[in-house]
Amino acid sequence: GNSVTQMEGPVTLSEEAFLTINCTYTATGYPSLFWYVQYPGEGLQLLLKATKADDKGSNKGFEATYRKETTSFHLEKGSVQVSDSAVYFCALSPNSGGYQKVTFGTGTKLQVIP
Amino acid sequence: GAGVSQTPSNKVTEKGKYVELRCDPISGHTALYWYRQSLGQGPEFLIYFQGTGAADDSGLPNDRFFAVRPEGSVSTLKIQRTERGDSAVYLCASSPEVAGRNEQFFGPGTRLTVL
Repeated sequence: GNSVTQMEGPVTLSEEAFLTINCTYTATGYPSLFWYVQYPGEGLQLLLKATKADDKGSNKGFEATYRKETTSFHLEKGSVQVSDSAVYFCALSPNSGGYQKVTFGTGTKLQVIP
Repeated sequence: GAGVSQTPSNKVTEKGKYVELRCDPISGHTALYWYRQSLGQGPEFLIYFQGTGAADDSGLPNDRFFAVRPEGSVSTLKIQRTERGDSAVYLCASSPEVAGRNEQFFGPGTRLTVL
């Protein structure tokens, strides 16, 4: 079946540090890949997505590139802010259109300190 | 506009009791999903509705769990004979599910605690 593995947290960084959160996946075919974010006290929000190999998703300074050869979708940001403190979930869906049965990773908690 | 809302935000019940969790999706969204998130885990898919019908209920853990969406809008997740292992945050998401716009919008969740 489909699965997502992401690095365990918590990750603690100083403000303006570089962020990488690793994510690898197992799936048949050509899944769509996502990063979701959950800020303290809020619901899950879609951060970015990529629907085919070599696509780069980006939003709010975060980026992730769909690498089919390494089955990876690592999240990066060049300079984190305190406001980026949240839990980040890597996820996949078997298809890019219509119904999306999303499989999530276990989440990585990021804490950014001033 | 209003997002996905879920009620109650917290529910504490005793083992063996029956509970209902409600989800109000974003108006006009045809697709509705339920997920369960246990402590320290990512959300796990339970069931997907397209309109009024459950198009995929493969994630429901057993026959104690049931969900309805009678008018294609509000959905209720029903759990019979609750067990301590049912304790989790239950998330609802809705989606417009039209070409190029199938992002899921999540509600804040209902935290269920079974004593």
